[in-house]
Amino acid sequence: DAGVIQSPRHEVTEMGQEVTLRCKPISGHDYLFWYRQTMMRGLELLIYFNNNVPIDDSGMPEDRFSAKMPNASFSTLKIQPSEPRDSAVYFCASSLGQGVWSPLHFGNGTRLTVT
Amino acid sequence: GNSVTQMEGPVTLSEEAFLTINCTYTATGYPSLFWYVQYPGEGLQLLLKATKADDKGSNKGFEATYRKETTSFHLEKGSVQVSDSAVYFCALMARQGGKLIFGQGTELSVKP
Repeated sequence: DAGVIQSPRHEVTEMGQEVTLRCKPISGHDYLFWYRQTMMRGLELLIYFNNNVPIDDSGMPEDRFSAKMPNASFSTLKIQPSEPRDSAVYFCASSLGQGVWSPLHFGNGTRLTVT
Repeated sequence: GNSVTQMEGPVTLSEEAFLTINCTYTATGYPSLFWYVQYPGEGLQLLLKATKADDKGSNKGFEATYRKETTSFHLEKGSVQVSDSAVYFCALMARQGGKLIFGQGTELSVKP
């Protein structure tokens, strides 16, 4: 079991640049979640998918953020243009089903720094 | 709305000390409650859960009891180890919706 794989582990970019974060969920999992973690706001749910379809994107902060899931084994979170306040650790998580008996499996995160 | 409040960290303890991390929640209905742990440089992992009032979740020497009357789910361990140093997150899942709502996290540092 390879777990949830995120890339890159670290990303440093300049303000105004486009940033793309990538996630490969655990094979067979039908739910995929994107979270953002900051000291000030803690862990925030940005968006989640079920069977590749976005279900709830109410946590996406602005139109600069977009997420896609073109197939069951790949998802991207894109920020365009990036701003310094986007600096955070971004986590992808997946689960088999949704509910109390379906624990989330998190990747190791992408640490984004926007200068 | 639903929310989770945890005691602020960091919490610093000596090895073999007793640990309590407080967690209280606000929710409509009867949520399920969870503790997740995040080790340095890693993502969160489920530590334990409880699905109804008076349930006790336990794992790796940690335990927490779902207290409906005090809307609490405090995490305890009788004797902590250096390897327990991590950030601990309390979370809830409402019956409807199914989204996990996390607390702010509490950093634990255990010194030898």
